Amino acid sequence: DADVTQTPRNRITKTGKRIMLECSQTKGHDRMYWYRQDPGLGLQLIYYSFDVKDINKGEISDGYSVSRQAQAKFSLSLESAIPNQTALYFCATSEAGRTGELFFGEGSRLTVL
Amino acid sequence: AQSVSQHNHHVILSEAASLELGCNYSYGGTVNLFWYVQYPGQHLQLLLKYFSGDPLVKGIKGFEAEFIKSKFSFNLRKPSVQWSDTAEYFCAVNAADNYGQNFVFGPGTRLSVLP
Repeated sequence: DADVTQTPRNRITKTGKRIMLECSQTKGHDRMYWYRQDPGLGLQLIYYSFDVKDINKGEISDGYSVSRQAQAKFSLSLESAIPNQTALYFCATSEAGRTGELFFGEGSRLTVL
Repeated sequence: AQSVSQHNHHVILSEAASLELGCNYSYGGTVNLFWYVQYPGQHLQLLLKYFSGDPLVKGIKGFEAEFIKSKFSFNLRKPSVQWSDTAEYFCAVNAADNYGQNFVFGPGTRLSVLP
């Protein structure tokens, strides 16, 4: 089983719909992240959380919200999806401290029509 | 703010050719540096990382990278590529003096290895 699990893996929805992407991890890491991947742009940080009570906006947080339900769970919501939010979304975790590397989930491909 | 650039958008090589992918970052302080690989349809996996010490870092699958501080570079190398190395490669940096907060990724380099 994957250490970082994302659901759903694929989703097609319509403009204006509310969408939630969920992430759970078994690595025991405090830090969790949501990234968006678009071709040619690499990964852009949407939100990150260093513990259950600490949530921070990343570089492209507009149009997104998150919830850290527990140390192991971090969900990303699109309150009213729009077509330019069509992308591949990755959840990641890392250990606390200066040198923690990122561990990624399998990704959630979202298409907004 | 930190930024990462990767020199090549798409590299095409034949099997057994040598590989070098360029990565440059902009940040004046101490950094941690990473190379991640994303095989087709898969998630990103760590190839190698540099935190301190020997600037020549060896990773998995025969990859290595050299940190040249004066050039703000962290180029990835492999002496002889295989078809299975076909993937997208991402360079990433985070600032070591902010407790590893934000990882900044380059745009990626797509490597196609021809059999």
